[in-house]
Amino acid sequence: TAGITQAPTSQILAAGRSMTLRCTQDMRHNAMYWYRQDLGLGLRLIHYSNTAGTTGKGEVPDGYSVSRANTDDFPLTLASAVPSQTSVYFCASSDSGVPYYEQFFGPGTRLTVL
Amino acid sequence: GQQVMQIPQYQHVQEGEDFTTYCNSSTTLSNIQWYKQRPGGHPVFLIQLVKSGEVKKQKRLTFQFGEAKKNSSLHITATQTTDVGTYFCAGPNNAGNMLTFGGGTRLMVKP
Repeated sequence: TAGITQAPTSQILAAGRSMTLRCTQDMRHNAMYWYRQDLGLGLRLIHYSNTAGTTGKGEVPDGYSVSRANTDDFPLTLASAVPSQTSVYFCASSDSGVPYYEQFFGPGTRLTVL
Repeated sequence: GQQVMQIPQYQHVQEGEDFTTYCNSSTTLSNIQWYKQRPGGHPVFLIQLVKSGEVKKQKRLTFQFGEAKKNSSLHITATQTTDVGTYFCAGPNNAGNMLTFGGGTRLMVKP
């Protein structure tokens, strides 16, 4: 099985443009997450979804939106990109939303906003 | 809000030397998880600790959860080049609805 796939692998985006990062999992996990990783800051949670149809805000949600129309897909949208959103974005999933379950991470999307 | 701190931020070791990374939380944790991220890769789950004072081993890796459940450590005995990567600890936030990750310790091993 593929586990978690993310697209694109990398992207250069002009400031002010919008973009959607795609994430799909085939493990039938209930919970999904979006993190950004910046040097020295570890992984910071942007948004999460404990089950299809629900979403929640993480530590750094401003400038991002998500939707969870079904179990498998959890897209992340930047409505109007800014240079501070340059980062590596990881999608993850876990069997349940409570934090006792290990999280499985996708390969990441490297985004550069100029 | 809750903070999870890791030290050191970087560590260079000679192959065969031991390595330890420490994780400290500003609040008591119900559990703690450890992840490893190879250079250019994504985080991969290593282990979870739940009980106060718990010690778990995975081959050359030893994980400990402090008695007060506010700190944890990962010790690698006789490092190998395959141990290279960044090690993250993560604990649930106060609301228990998300994981807070530490900043990570990047391990570099000289052959």
